[in-house]
This record gives sequence, C-alpha cells and structure tokens, in this order.
Amino acid sequence: EVQLVESGGGVVQPGGSLKLSCAASGFTFGDYAMHWVRQTPAKGLEWVSLITWDGGVTYYADSVRGRFTVSRDNSKNSLYLQLNSLRIEDTALYYCARDYSGSYTNWGQGTLVTVSS
Amino acid sequence: DAVMTQSPLSLAVTLGQPASISCRSSQSLGHSDGNTYLNWFQQRPGQSPRRLIYKVSNRDSGVPDRFSGSGSGTDFTLKISRVEAEDVGVYFCMQGTRWPYTFGQGTKLEIK
Repeated sequence: EVQLVESGGGVVQPGGSLKLSCAASGFTFGDYAMHWVRQTPAKGLEWVSLITWDGGVTYYADSVRGRFTVSRDNSKNSLYLQLNSLRIEDTALYYCARDYSGSYTNWGQGTLVTVSS
Repeated sequence: DAVMTQSPLSLAVTLGQPASISCRSSQSLGHSDGNTYLNWFQQRPGQSPRRLIYKVSNRDSGVPDRFSGSGSGTDFTLKISRVEAEDVGVYFCMQGTRWPYTFGQGTKLEIK
C-alpha cells in the first residue's frame, strides 16, 4: 500500500524557517516525481513545488521561489521542503503528493504550518 | 496558468438523487500526446484528497461506478448518479496538461 507521511510542521514567526519531510513507502520512490501542494480555506489548493525522480530538476510556484527549496533522498525514500523567510500567507496545510501522468495518484495526510507573531 | 473554474461552489442533494459538478478551464486541456489530463478529487471532512477520476473519465480502483467523468477541451463534468451519505465532502478538479498543475476552487457537497 502506498503511504506518504508528512512531518515537520509547526508554529513559526514571520521570517522564520521550517523543514518539512515526507516519508514514502509502498512503492519505488525513486521512480516518481514528487510535489508539494498546500491548502488553505481561503485559497484552496495551491501547487508549491515539483522535484523530478532523480532530483535533477526542480520547479517552484512564483509565490515561494527563492524562499523554499525542495529536495529528496531516494536512499531514504524521503522528500523534503525547506521553508525560509516565512510569511503570514504561507500558513497552510502542506501535502506531499506522488506524480504520475499529469495527476496526483496519492497524497499524504498533510502537515500544518502556521506563521504567526 | 490555466485557471480552473468550478460550479456550483456548493450543492445540497437529497440522498439517492443525482449531482453534477462543472469544471471549466481557461485553456484547452488537450495535450499534444492525445490525452486530456483532467482529474477529479474527493476530499471528505478531515481527510486528504483522494483521486476519483483521471484523464477525464477513468475511474480509480475502488471508486463506485455511480461516479463518472466526461468532457473535452475546456468543459468537464463530474456526475454522481445517486448520492449516498459517504459522498459528503469537497470535490476538486485539477488539470495536469499545462504547467503548472492547477486546481478548481472546490465544490462542497452536502446532503439535503
């Protein structure tokens, strides 16, 4: 069974940093591109970042480019998102999701990031 | 970016009655490879999204056949033939044809 388990969320002040992790199991992690997607009640679902299967290529939403960094360790079946220079508007539930053929086949349960002074 | 617009944004349906959700894209979602990467997700209260439909009309394993997807180009529809209590939640369309992937605002389905 495919499982994605996010961790690392928490409460942080504006300008602070967090590192999110996503532990994958039940599939060959290194065969798939992975995404981070966030969700808020006000804005709904928003794509944040993509990393290709080998980590060779990364993409970011304009709203996070230059502040967030996605990475992966295929030997540990793990995906990461480093969040720096956090803003109030980054407050959201962050999901990792497995990419296959223009879709998200699986999502984690999400980890909540709250940016507040 | 392809803007995805869903309607209605909320829907109250009597048990056993049909429901229909529309999703329109600002750009055609037909890909040069011949596929149309339009997906539907269900998000039950307190849960993460679960994919129901991919490439317009293909049901995922375990998805009841009362769910069906249709459409082409820029206009797509998710239909539930007979709504059951377990269908309560929010339904999202998502396009994976054009970069970046984008989502509809979500349609909240409730039981009347």
